[in-house]
Amino acid sequence: AQTVTQSQPEMSVQEAETVTLSCTYDTSESDYYLFWYKQPPSRQMILVIRQEAYKQQNATENRFSVNFQKAAKSFSLKISDSQLGDAAMYFCAYRGSGSRLTFGEGTQLTVNP
Amino acid sequence: GAGVSQSPSNKVTEKGKDVELRCDPISGHTALYWYRQSLGQGLEFLIYFQGNSAPDKSGLPSDRFSAERTGGSVSTLTIQRTQQEDSAVYLCASSLGSGRGTDTQYFGPGTRLTVL
Repeated sequence: AQTVTQSQPEMSVQEAETVTLSCTYDTSESDYYLFWYKQPPSRQMILVIRQEAYKQQNATENRFSVNFQKAAKSFSLKISDSQLGDAAMYFCAYRGSGSRLTFGEGTQLTVNP
Repeated sequence: GAGVSQSPSNKVTEKGKDVELRCDPISGHTALYWYRQSLGQGLEFLIYFQGNSAPDKSGLPSDRFSAERTGGSVSTLTIQRTQQEDSAVYLCASSLGSGRGTDTQYFGPGTRLTVL
């Protein structure tokens, strides 16, 4: 079974600084997808970024980028120029041959003004 | 366009009662998913519907849980004889399909269920 691990329960960053959230996963599959979702206090899970395992190029979305290391089974999220609105719980998620998402435990990000 | 919607937003019920939670997926999305988010268990997959195929029910925790999807659109998750351990946020998501490029799941705001 696939597992996703987020080893940082909490992280904090100063506004305008850069922060990196870590995620590792375990799988025997070669074709899969990885996601980062953000969940603010409103509960709504919002897609931040998506990475396809067969693509070597790291995905980027504006201030959000990933460092995808397939051999190491690592998928970290970098947030540049952090903003107060980035404060939320961040979940790393894996999707393999099945359609379900397997989530990590989450990292609570605090942005300090 | 409109996102995934769920109702009710919050539900408080007494132990032993039945509850129904509703999910309206994004129009045109053929795949629909239910997840449960609880303090002790994190985010867990419950059930998945894809078009007219038989649903993947492998995540349902007990036979008290069931779900249906009528007309390929709206879905209802039913919990019979609720227990206190059923207290959680129930999240619904939909995706355009399940293949490459169509599989990104978009979530609704969730229903917070509290069983007293």
